[in-house]
Amino acid sequence: QVQLVQSGAEVKQPGASVKVSCKASGNTFTNYYMDWVRQAPGQGLEWMGIINPSGGITRYAQKLQGRVTMTSDTTTNTVYMELSSLRSEDTAVYYCARGTAVAGYFDDWGQGTLVTVSS
Amino acid sequence: QSVLTQPPSVSGAPGQRVTISCTGSSSNIGAGYDVHWYQQLPGTVPKLLIFGNSNRPSGVPDRYSGSRSGTSASLAISGLQAEDEADYYCQSYDTSLSGSVFGGGTKLTVL
Repeated sequence: QVQLVQSGAEVKQPGASVKVSCKASGNTFTNYYMDWVRQAPGQGLEWMGIINPSGGITRYAQKLQGRVTMTSDTTTNTVYMELSSLRSEDTAVYYCARGTAVAGYFDDWGQGTLVTVSS
Repeated sequence: QSVLTQPPSVSGAPGQRVTISCTGSSSNIGAGYDVHWYQQLPGTVPKLLIFGNSNRPSGVPDRYSGSRSGTSASLAISGLQAEDEADYYCQSYDTSLSGSVFGGGTKLTVL
């Protein structure tokens, strides 16, 4: 099992960018993936993308292509998700979740990071 | 509009059995990709409930079971308890979208 600790809540203006971190402990980065999932207030779960932390390979949801970037730092076991050109519709809780494979499931989740986009 | 379709809500009395359906298409469940289920209690982080269509992680009671057939999957909860009241989400992989997809979620109310 891996423990995932995310960075704190953020408030951003429309058009700005936000970068959320997710630090893993209890296991190494090798042999698994990290996905990002978001949940708007009162809404369902939305998959955003996946990164192979050790290889840096990424795949993003088509809806977010061009606005989302996922990166990793293997020296600190941390992955990052940056979302740019923020809109009010991006207000959500953002979760990192350990993925077992590209087409796998998510067995460990971070505590979530609330990102609020408001002028 | 979610790629995987779930009923918005289901309900049942304590002790009863309820099922939650998850309907996909030939590009996800029908293509043979596994279905996984998550439980999200109010105000908490989603928790893996069923993986690989019908497998329970350690610690999940056997009151929860899953199955997949054709382009659909279902989650069954037997011996309903008040603590089962939560939102439930199915998840799979879609080849057309080249990524994971979730159902819209189902709110379970224990009467």
